[in-house]
Amino acid sequence: DAKTTQPPSMDCAEGRAANLPCNHSTISGNEYVYWYRQIHSQGPQYIIHGLKNNETNEMASLIITEDRKSSTLILPHATLRDTAVYYCIAIQGAQKLVFGQGTRLTINP
Amino acid sequence: EPEVTQTPSHQVTQMGQEVILRCVPISNHLYFYWYRQILGQKVEFLVSFYNNEISEKSEIFDDQFSVERPDGSNFTLKIRSTKLEDSAMYFCASTGFTDTQYFGPGTRLTVL
Repeated sequence: DAKTTQPPSMDCAEGRAANLPCNHSTISGNEYVYWYRQIHSQGPQYIIHGLKNNETNEMASLIITEDRKSSTLILPHATLRDTAVYYCIAIQGAQKLVFGQGTRLTINP
Repeated sequence: EPEVTQTPSHQVTQMGQEVILRCVPISNHLYFYWYRQILGQKVEFLVSFYNNEISEKSEIFDDQFSVERPDGSNFTLKIRSTKLEDSAMYFCASTGFTDTQYFGPGTRLTVL
């Protein structure tokens, strides 16, 4: 599985868009980029995933660069409940998820 | 919306005792996983299970651990003789045809 690199922490004002970057320069052609988040010690929550194209769902948008070496998760209107640790993981198929340290996102009122 | 459920939410046990953690994966999912998270540390993979057998396990998953799918709905993790260092949150996950893993809320295991 490709290694991913994320900033350890970020802050964002409530109501603003939160943009979380992830580098995955060694990603292979059949690996997807998955984003999960973990609020306190709750179970990791699936957010979104993509292969090549940009994706959007009710929670977030995922922008993947054309060379697939990096991506950005966008929370369009961050709320206090979006404060969590966000994980970017590159994975193929139903393989195990390898969690790094993630980005601790703090939404400030 | 279907979800993964886990019981109990908190288990306290004495060192050396056996514990069984239970999970009900999402119906019609095919792959099942256990992960754990020691307080303040990363989420770590333990084992994956497919077609009634272990498909992959980590070095953490030694002979003290076992998994079972005793019926069509439950997926269990057994720790035969618990150690203090087994204290952690244990998360079950499952995935179906989309390969997206969905996690349960976790069981907090405290070994005294």
